[in-house]
Amino acid sequence: EAQVTQNPRYLITVTGKKLTVTCSQNMNHEYMSWYRQDPGLGLRQIYYSMNVEVTDKGDVPEGYKVSRKEKRNFPLILESPSPNQTSLYFCASSSQGGLGNQPQHFGDGTRLSIL
Amino acid sequence: SQELEQSPQSLIVQEGKNLTINCTSSKTLYGLYWYKQKYGEGLIFLMMLQKGGEEKSHEKITAKLDEKKQQSSLHITASQPSHAGIYLCGAEPIKAAGNKLTFGGGTRVLVKP
Repeated sequence: EAQVTQNPRYLITVTGKKLTVTCSQNMNHEYMSWYRQDPGLGLRQIYYSMNVEVTDKGDVPEGYKVSRKEKRNFPLILESPSPNQTSLYFCASSSQGGLGNQPQHFGDGTRLSIL
Repeated sequence: SQELEQSPQSLIVQEGKNLTINCTSSKTLYGLYWYKQKYGEGLIFLMMLQKGGEEKSHEKITAKLDEKKQQSSLHITASQPSHAGIYLCGAEPIKAAGNKLTFGGGTRVLVKP
């Protein structure tokens, strides 16, 4: 089954403790992206990757890191999480970098709470 | 930057009635996507529109993109409880923008039985 898989689905942690949210897709998609969703602010893009070893900042990259060493994986790293990073996070992927040709497929989300 | 306004923000509809959601952009859109999200869950792709005047339908859901490619509407005919959720429009402002999707604020739909 074609899917985007995020782990963990839920995480409660404390300020400053490094964490990684993994994202994996089995569709051989070139493009992957991370979003966060907050009440009143909607979905905002954090980082995206057009292909392996190619990443770029989205609208709200501060406090986050990403890497794209393999095509299927695109982990989101919070080196020193802070309470303002409490949010619902989504990973997405699409073929050919999108460009209006292919829709992005989203994972089920990761709910992070930073205390 | 791309601004997408969705209206209404929320609506309650009686089962069997029709409903329409609008998505308006401040700039010409290259691609317009409609997604549905159940509360706290992932986004499910519904439809993609690219051409001015384009209209697509799937089951009881119809989406249209106006000729100027600045406004889209999503219409649900004879709504059912399964149509409840949050509907989001997403758009690419220009071609080759790194697939940087911008999303509207969402429309929360509740269907009363």
